[in-house]
Amino acid sequence: EAGVAQSPRYKIIEKRQSVAFWCNPISGHATLYWYQQILGQGPKLLIQFQNNGVVDDSQLPKDRFSAERLKGVDSTLKIQPAKLEDSAVYLCASSLYRSGGEETQYFGPGTRLLVL
Amino acid sequence: GESVGLHLPTLSVQEGDNSIINCAYSNSASDYFIWYKQESGKGPQFIIDIRSNMDKRQGQRVTVLLNKTVKHLSLQIAATQPGDSAVYFCAENMGRGSTLGRLYFGRGTQLTVWP
Repeated sequence: EAGVAQSPRYKIIEKRQSVAFWCNPISGHATLYWYQQILGQGPKLLIQFQNNGVVDDSQLPKDRFSAERLKGVDSTLKIQPAKLEDSAVYLCASSLYRSGGEETQYFGPGTRLLVL
Repeated sequence: GESVGLHLPTLSVQEGDNSIINCAYSNSASDYFIWYKQESGKGPQFIIDIRSNMDKRQGQRVTVLLNKTVKHLSLQIAATQPGDSAVYFCAENMGRGSTLGRLYFGRGTQLTVWP
């Protein structure tokens, strides 16, 4: 079974520039997540989709971050304009929603962003 | 602040020894906990999970213990191998009832296995 795919793997930009990340979840997984992982910390949820609808975006800095999941499959996360503090690894995860609250999330390799 | 934390940021063990990684959580309403392993340059990899109605769950070489009285979680790795070297995260699902819930991750423990 193919895992969660992400691209690019690395990105270096200057502050105030824009950047976009792409994620392809595991086939059949209805739920997709974007996390930000700052060096030395655990992942922090930015946004959660169920199919193509947003379930939780309370931690997303909406003045500069946006995300979409058209057709309920692939997703893109955009930062515009980027700040130095956005330097982090951006992880995408997906899960096959099961009733009862259990949802094993499977992570992609992440995109490592460096803002100069 | 984060509700899930780890007692020790680093742990060094010798190959073949058993490892114990600890985690504390603060939300007594959390009903689902997961351990992830993250190797350098990779995304977190699911290891084992446990629901709040259990106090122990075993997998292949790994055991998770849950003590709800003191809100403590531990991951035990038997016969630790060099390939186990990684950062280990516990994550807490603060689920809203039985629907989709948000995972909160702790800071992680760096496990180093010496030959």
